[in-house]
Amino acid sequence: TQLLEQSPQFLSIQEGENLTVYCNSSSVFSSLQWYRQEPGEGPVLLVTVVTGGEVKKLKRLTFQFGDARKDSSLHITAAQPGDTGLYLCAGPFGNEKLTFGTGTRLTIIP
Amino acid sequence: KAGVTQTPRYLIKTRGQQVTLSCSPISGHRSVSWYQQTPGQGLQFLFEYFSETQRNKGNFPGRFSGRQFSNSRSEMNVSTLELGDSALYLCASSLRLAGSTDTQYFGPGTRLTVL
Repeated sequence: TQLLEQSPQFLSIQEGENLTVYCNSSSVFSSLQWYRQEPGEGPVLLVTVVTGGEVKKLKRLTFQFGDARKDSSLHITAAQPGDTGLYLCAGPFGNEKLTFGTGTRLTIIP
Repeated sequence: KAGVTQTPRYLIKTRGQQVTLSCSPISGHRSVSWYQQTPGQGLQFLFEYFSETQRNKGNFPGRFSGRQFSNSRSEMNVSTLELGDSALYLCASSLRLAGSTDTQYFGPGTRLTVL
């Protein structure tokens, strides 16, 4: 069982639609980060959320940290083909620098 | 400023061999972490080095080891390779050792295939 479960695992939608990706855990995290990874590259940090209930916006992307700091969501408005990629949530846990979620593979169809 | 570089980008080995992967962090970054990415297990933390000392270690067997040099460059070694070691090995660098909001910058990874 993964510490951070992401849903859905795969998502394929048309350009212009909205979508939400979820990251859930039964454990409390001091912070959570969201990364996007494209084929042949390493993950790139999108945002870090620290405070329970925090909402951060990055252009068309909105990130929210749950009040209890056990979950987070990523909402994309008017998805574009450039949003295609593997979205990963991650947080520091135990001795690990970062524990990563199971990932959501997003495909935006033009 | 140059990003994190990893060499080689691709590697093919056979079972039982050993392999050494290299990572050059962003200039000025002192922390280097290694991760293994596979389709089945996802991204998993291997270990972190800071000031030439291993500071944290994930749940991997002793066949996986690493080191960091005085210039912060890091190498990881896998001995007695197994088929299940086939993966993308990612290196990430950051300025500091600790800090839950510390930004890590990832390299493009080394794709290791074990035959």
